[in-house]
Amino acid sequence: GENVEQHPSTLSVQEGDSAVIKCTYSDSASNYFPWYKQELGKGPQLIIDIRSNVGEKKDQRIAVTLNKTAKHFSLHITETQPEDSAVYFCAASRENTGGFKTIFGAGTRLFVKA
Amino acid sequence: DTGVSQDPRHKITKRGQNVTFRCDPISEHNRLYWYRQTLGQGPEFLTYFQNEAQLEKSRLLSDRFSAERPKGSFSTLEIQRTEQGDSAMYLCASSLSGVGANVLTFGAGSRLTVL
Repeated sequence: GENVEQHPSTLSVQEGDSAVIKCTYSDSASNYFPWYKQELGKGPQLIIDIRSNVGEKKDQRIAVTLNKTAKHFSLHITETQPEDSAVYFCAASRENTGGFKTIFGAGTRLFVKA
Repeated sequence: DTGVSQDPRHKITKRGQNVTFRCDPISEHNRLYWYRQTLGQGPEFLTYFQNEAQLEKSRLLSDRFSAERPKGSFSTLEIQRTEQGDSAMYLCASSLSGVGANVLTFGAGSRLTVL
């Protein structure tokens, strides 16, 4: 079945450094790739997304890249801050029976040390 | 609109009991999803509604699980004869249809502990 693999599972960086999280997906029909941030006791919140017709997207300190040929996509956070500490999930989805089934990676726990 | 609301936030029950969770989506969203999240894992798709129609169910949704969205607004997820393996966070999400349909807004979740 479809799956999304995410690495690393844990990432610890110093405040101000960059953090990179990488994902691969198996379903070549996937055309939408969101990233979610989940803080303790809360549901996942969308932070950035990219569609298959775009190779890169940036929003302030966050950027995503997509390589459809290799079925890889990555999240880059620059100038990390302690409030960036959370669990980050990548996901992939496609149109499916009139809806969208979103498949999530297992998550990356990011620690930003002050 | 305050976003997606889920109730209760926490539920502790004994094995064999039935539990029901409620989700109130964003009012203009006609699509509603249920996901399950266990510790250290990403959300896993359970089922999906467009308006009141349940259009897709995961193989994870055993016969003990039933979901409804009777008037196309709020939804309930019932688990009958709970087992310890049902312990998880149950997340509800909603979205528009058409453009932006795969942009999910999640609630805070309902955490189930089965003793």
